[in-house]
Amino acid sequence: LAKTTQPISMDSYEGQEVNITCSHNNIATNDYITWYQQFPSQGPRFIIQGYKTKVTNEVASLFIPADRKSSTLSLPRVSLSDTAVYYCLVGDPYSSASKIIFGSGTRLSIRP
Amino acid sequence: DTGVSQDPRHKITKRGQNVTFRCDPISEHNRLYWYRQTLGQGPEFLTYFQNEAQLEKSRLLSDRFSAERPKGSFSTLEIQRTEQGDSAMYLCASSSLFSDDLDNEQFFGPGTRLTVL
Repeated sequence: LAKTTQPISMDSYEGQEVNITCSHNNIATNDYITWYQQFPSQGPRFIIQGYKTKVTNEVASLFIPADRKSSTLSLPRVSLSDTAVYYCLVGDPYSSASKIIFGSGTRLSIRP
Repeated sequence: DTGVSQDPRHKITKRGQNVTFRCDPISEHNRLYWYRQTLGQGPEFLTYFQNEAQLEKSRLLSDRFSAERPKGSFSTLEIQRTEQGDSAMYLCASSSLFSDDLDNEQFFGPGTRLTVL
């Protein structure tokens, strides 16, 4: 199983760019990297998914180096509403669902 | 479609009682997942269905747990003879395996919070 390691918590301020890095040293060839956001008392919400290089959508960017052993979620110009837990997942979404593991996530706190 | 819904949102029960939770996925989604989440931890996979077939079950899913998805639509998760250790948030998610537009993301419901006294 591709285990992920990410910081337990991070703090930042409104308007700053936040980068959360996730390590996944034993990622498999067919694995994708996916990030979810979770607010208290809500289910997780998909942010972004990628396989290699860079992926960008309207809320975030995902940077994946050539060796794919790590990835970085980049949140541009964060606001207070970005305070949440962010999960990095690695797995093959077209294969075994049980091999996609959430981990403990990174608790991001944004201050005014 | 308003997304994935779960019922009830909260359930308090006494140890030894049986409980059943319901999940209504997004209508066109063929995959449905159940997770359990305890305080401070990420969701843990329990089981998933592709249409009406239950394809995988985690070892976390003891014989007191059973899940069904009749006709490939809504799903139920039943816990028999509840124990205090079953207290957690139970999350349901759905996804569409063959939709490139969705990038195979899972859409989560709000969860059912179970408290076993």
